[in-house]
Amino acid sequence: EVQLVESGGGLVQPGGSLRLSCAASGFTFSSYWMSWVRLAPGKGLEWVANIKQDGSERYYVDSVKGRFTISRDNAKNSLYLQMNSLRVEDTAVYYCARAHFGTYGKGNDYWGQGTLVTVSS
Amino acid sequence: DIVMTQSPDSLAVSLGERATINCKSSQSVLSSSSDKNYLAWYQQKPGQPPKLLIYWASTRESGVPDRFSGSGSGTDFTLTISSLQAEDVAVYYCQQYYSTLSFTFGPGTKVDIK
Repeated sequence: EVQLVESGGGLVQPGGSLRLSCAASGFTFSSYWMSWVRLAPGKGLEWVANIKQDGSERYYVDSVKGRFTISRDNAKNSLYLQMNSLRVEDTAVYYCARAHFGTYGKGNDYWGQGTLVTVSS
Repeated sequence: DIVMTQSPDSLAVSLGERATINCKSSQSVLSSSSDKNYLAWYQQKPGQPPKLLIYWASTRESGVPDRFSGSGSGTDFTLTISSLQAEDVAVYYCQQYYSTLSFTFGPGTKVDIK
């Protein structure tokens, strides 16, 4: 059974940093792109970042470029999101999701339960 | 970047009636090499993560009831719930995954019971 479990969320002041983690199991983690997606209060889903299987390609939504870094450790079956210079508007539930790319891709087919990040003074 | 739009923002449908949601992309998500549209639909209920319903614009994910169907190609797509059930109350999102550079979602459509 595919499982994705996020951790690391919490309350942080504007300008602060936080590192989210996602533990993956039930599939060959190193064979898949992975994504972070967020849901801000009262807003819709927003794709945040994608990372290729070997970490050689990383893509970000414009609003987090230069502040967030997506990374992975295939030996630990783990995905990370380092968030620096956090803003109030980064407040959201952050989801880790498997990304099914390529000719037979499905999009984001498995999701974690999410971890809440609150940026407030 | 590919921009996704959806209509309506919300709709209320009687139980057993049809619900239709539209999605439009700013550029085609149809791959000429694979002849597939890289367009997915998700359902999200409060307090839950999104659930993949449809991929390739019209292929139901395993386990998804057949009252959910997707159609369209290129830039214009539709999600139809043929006979709305109480458990279908949720927000529905379309997403393009044509471009690895960004996996953009539509703004969402809230579906309620009339």
